[in-house]
Amino acid sequence: EPEVTQTPSHQVTQMGQEVILRCVPISNHLYFYWYRQILGQKVEFLVSFYNNEISEKSEIFDDQFSVERPDGSNFTLKIRSTKLEDSAMYFCASSENASNQPQHFGDGTRLSIL
Amino acid sequence: AQTVTQSQPEMSVQEAETVTLSCTYDTSESDYYLFWYKQPPSRQMILVIRQEAYKQQNATENRFSVNFQKAAKSFSLKISDSQLGDAAMYFCAYRRSGSNYKLTFGKGTLLTVNP
Repeated sequence: EPEVTQTPSHQVTQMGQEVILRCVPISNHLYFYWYRQILGQKVEFLVSFYNNEISEKSEIFDDQFSVERPDGSNFTLKIRSTKLEDSAMYFCASSENASNQPQHFGDGTRLSIL
Repeated sequence: AQTVTQSQPEMSVQEAETVTLSCTYDTSESDYYLFWYKQPPSRQMILVIRQEAYKQQNATENRFSVNFQKAAKSFSLKISDSQLGDAAMYFCAYRRSGSNYKLTFGKGTLLTVNP
């Protein structure tokens, strides 16, 4: 069964550094999402992306965050200047072009800011 | 804004027994979807079951079934014949009807299965 893949599985970065988290959505999916889960807390929506533009973003997704689909397969989340509070598990998800289709999640990237 | 509440931070069940996980939600929408996702220690979020709000019939997937009470805005998950592999964090999630809307998650319920 096709899967959403995320790399790396764990990223350790110094505060203030830029980090890029990578995702390869399922190939025929057209909608892409990023969520994050701070340790011990609920999964929170960051941003959704369709047709090469952001569809919706949350309050968390401020100017330090950006997303990009640089080619036909990858979907990236960039944090320009990381803060300690960015430490979390980041999940990528994708879904088909149909309203009744669920979102499929990757394994997540654990981001640790030192 | 939509909210999802899971009032049971932790639950435990004996292997082969049945357990029910609770979820309530708040929305002003009439058409939406509800989901249960499972997150084992391996971290991947796995879809367990989903329910369309316009369907009165409760969804079932093998040993997993839901009790959807639209008027009460309640969406509980029943796991029958619990297995050791069912041990995981379970998240209830809500999504508006439409292709591109975000999922809103509850805080999760950690299920332990005792042999």
